[in-house]
Amino acid sequence: AQTVTQSQPEMSVQEAETVTLSCTYDTSESDYYLFWYKQPPSRQMILVIRQEAYKQQNATENRFSVNFQKAAKSFSLKISDSQLGDAAMYFCAYRRAYGGSQGNLIFGKGTKLSVKP
Amino acid sequence: EAGVAQSPRYKIIEKRQSVAFWCNPISGHATLYWYQQILGQGPKLLIQFQNNGVVDDSQLPKDRFSAERLKGVDSTLKIQPAKLEDSAVYLCASTRTSGGAGTGELFFGEGSRLTVL
Repeated sequence: AQTVTQSQPEMSVQEAETVTLSCTYDTSESDYYLFWYKQPPSRQMILVIRQEAYKQQNATENRFSVNFQKAAKSFSLKISDSQLGDAAMYFCAYRRAYGGSQGNLIFGKGTKLSVKP
Repeated sequence: EAGVAQSPRYKIIEKRQSVAFWCNPISGHATLYWYQQILGQGPKLLIQFQNNGVVDDSQLPKDRFSAERLKGVDSTLKIQPAKLEDSAVYLCASTRTSGGAGTGELFFGEGSRLTVL
């Protein structure tokens, strides 16, 4: 079974600085998708960034980028120029590409990010 | 376009009582998910629908939980009788497609917070 592990329950960053959130996963499949979701206190999950496993190039979305290391099964999120609005729970998630229940996301336990002004 | 709608936002009940949650997905989204998010944990899939058919309900406690998606649009999740450990946020999500080549971003509602006393 696939699992997602986020080893940092909480992280803190100074406004305008850079922070990296860690995520590792376990799977025997070669084709899959990885995601980072943000959950502000209002609880609505919002997609931050996604990565297709078959792509070697790391995904980037404005201030958000990932470091995808397929062999190491590592998928970290880097937030540059942190803003107060970045404060939230961040969840790493895995989704298989094929087979039954495709489309279902398997989530890690999350990392609570605080941004200090 | 309108997002995923859920109601009620909050519900407090006594153990052994029943409760129902409602979800209206984004128009045109064929796949609908119900997730349970216990405090301090990542969301866990309860059930996945494709149109009005069940794709995966392997983690649904069927002795007390039930869900339906009549007509392939909105969905209801019911708990009867509720236990203390059912206290959680119940998230509904939808996507246009469940798999294939597309990454099919999941769109989440704001969730329904259940407290069982």
